[in-house]
Amino acid sequence: SQQGEEDPQALSIQEGENATMNCSYKTSINNLQWYRQNSGRGLVHLILIRSNEREKHSGRLRVTLDTSKKSSSLLITASRAADTASYFCAAGAQKLVFGQGTRLTINP
Amino acid sequence: GAGVSQTPSNKVTEKGKYVELRCDPISGHTALYWYRQSLGQGPEFLIYFQGTGAADDSGLPNDRFFAVRPEGSVSTLKIQRTERGDSAVYLCASSLTGGRAGANVLTFGAGSRLTVL
Repeated sequence: SQQGEEDPQALSIQEGENATMNCSYKTSINNLQWYRQNSGRGLVHLILIRSNEREKHSGRLRVTLDTSKKSSSLLITASRAADTASYFCAAGAQKLVFGQGTRLTINP
Repeated sequence: GAGVSQTPSNKVTEKGKYVELRCDPISGHTALYWYRQSLGQGPEFLIYFQGTGAADDSGLPNDRFFAVRPEGSVSTLKIQRTERGDSAVYLCASSLTGGRAGANVLTFGAGSRLTVL
């Protein structure tokens, strides 16, 4: 079974708007990661947040983590057409287990 | 190498045939992972190597699937008696450490798309 589950499954917004994706996971974690996949193959690591952190920023990305609710959110600010992709959260210790992903479409 | 390399990028085979998929990880990465991804789904964990040994093979769906990493670098995923349901993109990833204390940031290859007719 998948460790993380993203919500929503699909999101379509206008360029310049902010996009928020949520992830829930099932077990205890050391850290939680977010990855991006552009149409097809190869996931790219975006950001990692450790279990003792509550919020982390990287450029236009902001990740929050609530270990009491076993949930995380990824916020992309000032979205661009190039942000169109699928976004996955991944959690685990020795192995990362991925969620089903959120398909984000940025409309110009 | 500069990145994770997977070959072939595409493989079309007939039901019942044997298939090998190869992964060449980033030099110096001790941990290597295989995932399988079906259309519209997230990557599904198959197996993870720490060095030469399979540290966790709990994701292999059945005994038709087998993976090796004999020298702790290149890995081969082997699928016997392929079935149509095996059609998917097989992703390989590597990381510097796979240990419990490590932050396992994965670098993925572009994947091998397997189509079983």
